Amino acid sequence: AQSVTQPDIHITVSEGASLELRCNYSYGATPYLFWYVQSPGQGLQLLLKYFSGDTLVQGIKGFEAEFKRSQSSFNLRKPSVHWSDAAEYFCAVVPMTTDSWGKFQFGAGTQVVVTP
Amino acid sequence: DTEVTQTPKHLVMGMTNKKSLKCEQHMGHRAMYWYKQKAKKPPELMFVYSYEKLSINESVPSRFSPECPNSSLLNLHLHALQPEDSALYLCASSQAWKAESYNSPLHFGNGTRLTVT
Repeated sequence: AQSVTQPDIHITVSEGASLELRCNYSYGATPYLFWYVQSPGQGLQLLLKYFSGDTLVQGIKGFEAEFKRSQSSFNLRKPSVHWSDAAEYFCAVVPMTTDSWGKFQFGAGTQVVVTP
Repeated sequence: DTEVTQTPKHLVMGMTNKKSLKCEQHMGHRAMYWYKQKAKKPPELMFVYSYEKLSINESVPSRFSPECPNSSLLNLHLHALQPEDSALYLCASSQAWKAESYNSPLHFGNGTRLTVT
């Protein structure tokens, strides 16, 4: 079955430390891949996306993600976390098939807590 | 500021009430979406409109009725809801006028927090 998995429900990181959030997908072919962030009481904001090409993708707010086809992964990273990065992070995928157009599938999310 | 505007921000309604949620975007996007998000859960797709036509209905109960009056507006009409329908309702839009961009990113509004009493 097609799925997207975020193995870590909750991550605590110190301010200034590095952060890596994991995302794995299970699809017949490489889907379109996205990372979104959601602050409390807010909608989702797009951090970055991968369609094709360079497997290291740069996003907003200092985030980057690396696509690894062999591992079916699209992990999100940030070298130095700021207190404002505390939020819920969602990995999302859309299969590259016409009949799946519009069916964005979200992972369960990873809650990031930043400590002083 | 978000480019997708949702009103109201908060809504409390009884189970016999009729209310509507509204969504507006002026980015020229031709696909619009309704998602439902329960606390601590990811968004769940409800409806997708493409070029003002309903393209996807994810088996949503008929007490939720979507409407797309034009390419910039999306409504969700609510009637006879249940307490378990309480959630954050998110509207989103994406580009859809070219085949190669049909999977362009979703742009979300800040949502309407709905409480059914």
